[in-house]
Amino acid sequence: QSVLTQPPSVSGAPGQRVTISCTGSSSNIGAHFDVHWYRQLPGTAPKLLIYGNTNRPAGVPDRFSGSKSGTSASLAITGLQAEDEADYYCQSYDSRLSGSYVFGTGTKVTVL
Amino acid sequence: QVQLVQSGAEVKKPGASVKVSCKASGYTFTRYPMHWVRQAPGQRLEWMGWINTGNGITKYSQTFQGRVTFTRDMPASTAYMELTNLTSEDTAVYYCARGRGLELPLDNWGQGTLVTVSS
Repeated sequence: QSVLTQPPSVSGAPGQRVTISCTGSSSNIGAHFDVHWYRQLPGTAPKLLIYGNTNRPAGVPDRFSGSKSGTSASLAITGLQAEDEADYYCQSYDSRLSGSYVFGTGTKVTVL
Repeated sequence: QVQLVQSGAEVKKPGASVKVSCKASGYTFTRYPMHWVRQAPGQRLEWMGWINTGNGITKYSQTFQGRVTFTRDMPASTAYMELTNLTSEDTAVYYCARGRGLELPLDNWGQGTLVTVSS
């Protein structure tokens, strides 16, 4: 099963900006399929954070933003807060094997 | 509001099967596909496949093909995931998640069901 590659961890002080990259290939992100992002707080289920590359579901603060270019996507968190400490996963669709969903390797965000 | 409530934790022996349920409420069950995702301890999310809750058509990840079966009970608004021939590597939290359509995100998730495989 193909995966999307993320950095294992990123960190920042409260109030700072951090970004998480998500690198795919020509069969998923590079094939113009959308990228979605999920946040998983410790011991809980993932929750949709960004959909369709740049869109925030209702209730998600505008401190979170997404972008996509070529075979990669990024999630930015500005004004980092203690409650942002969590695991973040990107997800897209892959056209190989008659189509499948693929998740990123996950990034742990630590607030210093 | 949309809610997905999964069945409780399971402990199984190697070679056994497990069936996890996911009861949906707060929306029309048959209008949205249901996905299944698992997460081994300390590991990333792994997509298992999905079921079209309206017509029952399924799509399985190649990783699980032949060992997993998705079904649904439309009157009960409940989806099921059965995994057979369990090994210790199947120890994980299993999530159901509502989809919005092909290529679209998973917008609501169940609370997860821990399946432990141990002799």
